[in-house]
Amino acid sequence: EAGVAQSPRYKIIEKRQSVAFWCNPISGHATLYWYQQILGQGPKLLIQFQNNGVVDDSQLPKDRFSAERLKGVDSTLKIQPAKLEDSAVYLCASSRTAYNEQFFGPGTRLTVL
Amino acid sequence: SQKIEQNSEALNIQEGKTATLTCNYTNYSPAYLQWYRQDPGRGPVFLLLIRENEKEKRKERLKVTFDTTLKQSLFHITASQPADSATYLCALDNRDDKIIFGKGTRLHILP
Repeated sequence: EAGVAQSPRYKIIEKRQSVAFWCNPISGHATLYWYQQILGQGPKLLIQFQNNGVVDDSQLPKDRFSAERLKGVDSTLKIQPAKLEDSAVYLCASSRTAYNEQFFGPGTRLTVL
Repeated sequence: SQKIEQNSEALNIQEGKTATLTCNYTNYSPAYLQWYRQDPGRGPVFLLLIRENEKEKRKERLKVTFDTTLKQSLFHITASQPADSATYLCALDNRDDKIIFGKGTRLHILP
């Protein structure tokens, strides 16, 4: 089966600019996750979707970050405006349900200058 | 406060030996715990899941133990190979469908 697809793979922006990331999960996976991984740290959950609905967005900085999952399939994560501390790898993952193993995409490396 | 702690320093193991990685947690009561492998520039890859009522799980050269009394999971790689060099992440649920990851342990298998 095809894996989790993410784009772009790399993005460099100036602070205060906007950026959007796209994720296409594995077909049939109900749960989709967005993580932020700073160098040397483990992935930090930003938002978790179950089909169209949000299960957890407690660690999403809602003043600047937003995410949506279109028709329970693809998802986009947006940052507006970006700050220097947003420089990180943004990982998308999907799983059949919330209790199953997660399949990760390759990530998008964001650099904010 | 809630914490997940993995070996903070990199672990260097001689090829052929058993590598043992530790995951300790406080103020969580996970129903299950997962281990992932992450190579540089890539997303994590799932390795094993162990539930709270399981003491041990094996998959080929990998073994995971889960001690809910000690609040600890151990991850073993037997007959280690240089190709096993990577960062290993433990992740646990918080009984509410949410997964929390540790910082990971960098493992180097020396030829």
